[in-house]
Amino acid sequence: GQSLEQPSEVTAVEGAIVQINCTYQTSGFYGLSWYQQHDGGAPTFLSYNALDGLEETGRFSSFLSRSDSYGYLLLQELQMKDSASYFCAVRGGTASKLTFGTGTRLQVTL
Amino acid sequence: ETGVTQTPRHLVMGMTNKKSLKCEQHLGHNAMYWYKQSAKKPLELMFVYSLEERVENNSVPSRFSPECPNSSHLFLHLHTLQPEDSALYLCASSQGGSGTEAFFGQGTRLTVV
Repeated sequence: GQSLEQPSEVTAVEGAIVQINCTYQTSGFYGLSWYQQHDGGAPTFLSYNALDGLEETGRFSSFLSRSDSYGYLLLQELQMKDSASYFCAVRGGTASKLTFGTGTRLQVTL
Repeated sequence: ETGVTQTPRHLVMGMTNKKSLKCEQHLGHNAMYWYKQSAKKPLELMFVYSLEERVENNSVPSRFSPECPNSSHLFLHLHTLQPEDSALYLCASSQGGSGTEAFFGQGTRLTVV
């Protein structure tokens, strides 16, 4: 099966940089993705890594190391609106199976 | 709007009721998913349909019964639920089983009394 581990909570100040780590176990690996979910809202897609390395999308970047079964989401120039839960998700087992991590609650403070 | 619409947004049902959740996607995707999100728990994958065939069933109790009549619609039929089934039920779709991005509906907040 698939399992993913993330820190449960992270706090950072506005304007700072924060890194959210994710380690995973899966039989068969197609890619690691990241989603953001605000309270009361639906998860929304942020980024996807199928190959090793860094993917950059504006203030957000995501990194993958397949040999270490590890990835992270890097959020730069934090804004108050970035306060949300962040989930890593692995597509593994079968290409159709998208399994989510436990989620990291990010609190951005002044 | 994500292109994935779920109805109803809120549902309260008794343990002996039968109800159905509906999901519709307008994105031309051919894979659809049901997830359960409980407080302080991760998103739990329940079912996956790819090309209208069920390809994943994550040991979900039989009181939950999915139906995918076509690639745009997905239902979750509920019968004799338990209070612990109260949760947010999220539908998602993606393009093909290996589509990089899944689009989620706003969810149905279910309360079983």
